[in-house]
Amino acid sequence: DAGVIQSPRHEVTEMGQEVTLRCKPISGHNSLFWYRQTMMRGLELLIYFNNNVPIDDSGMPEDRFSAKMPNASFSTLKIQPSEPRDSAVYFCASSFSGPSETQYFGPGTRLLVL
Amino acid sequence: GENVEQHPSTLSVQEGDSAVIKCTYSDSASNYFPWYKQELGKGPQLIIDIRSNVGEKKDQRIAVTLNKTAKHFSLHITETQPEDSAVYFCAAPHAGGTSYGKLTFGQGTILTVHP
Repeated sequence: DAGVIQSPRHEVTEMGQEVTLRCKPISGHNSLFWYRQTMMRGLELLIYFNNNVPIDDSGMPEDRFSAKMPNASFSTLKIQPSEPRDSAVYFCASSFSGPSETQYFGPGTRLLVL
Repeated sequence: GENVEQHPSTLSVQEGDSAVIKCTYSDSASNYFPWYKQELGKGPQLIIDIRSNVGEKKDQRIAVTLNKTAKHFSLHITETQPEDSAVYFCAAPHAGGTSYGKLTFGQGTILTVHP
């Protein structure tokens, strides 16, 4: 039974470049979450979708960040242009129904912006 | 919004001892309190959760207690083993407004169990 799948697992890029992170949620789950984890700020929710619709994007840091969920099995988080302060581990998680149900996390994408 | 405070930030115990991690939350209407374990290089995994209609829940060596009056909940691990070494996070949801249900995580506790 496949869990949440994220790609790439590691990304190194230069400041100013566009970065796209990808996520495939668990089949049958209708909620998807994007989190960012840093030493300074801990685990922060960036955005979450319910039935492919963005419900809460209040955690998205600024306009350089955007997220899409074109269908129930795929989501992207894009940073354009990237900055060194975006360096972090980005996690995607999914749940059967909403944020107050068990959230299953993917392995994360470790992003380093030089 | 919800504010979650977690203590201690690090905890070191000997194998076989018990470990207790505590969290406080601010939103009195919160009703769901999960605990996640994160091992090195992996994403967090739910280990136990509790809802506000019960005061305690146990699953083998792990238990969670909830005190809604005081707005705090705790994770208890008994008979600790080296494989329990990890970072543990508590979380609580926003109970209203546009962020309804959104989880706020505590700062994390690094648990080290020495053989």
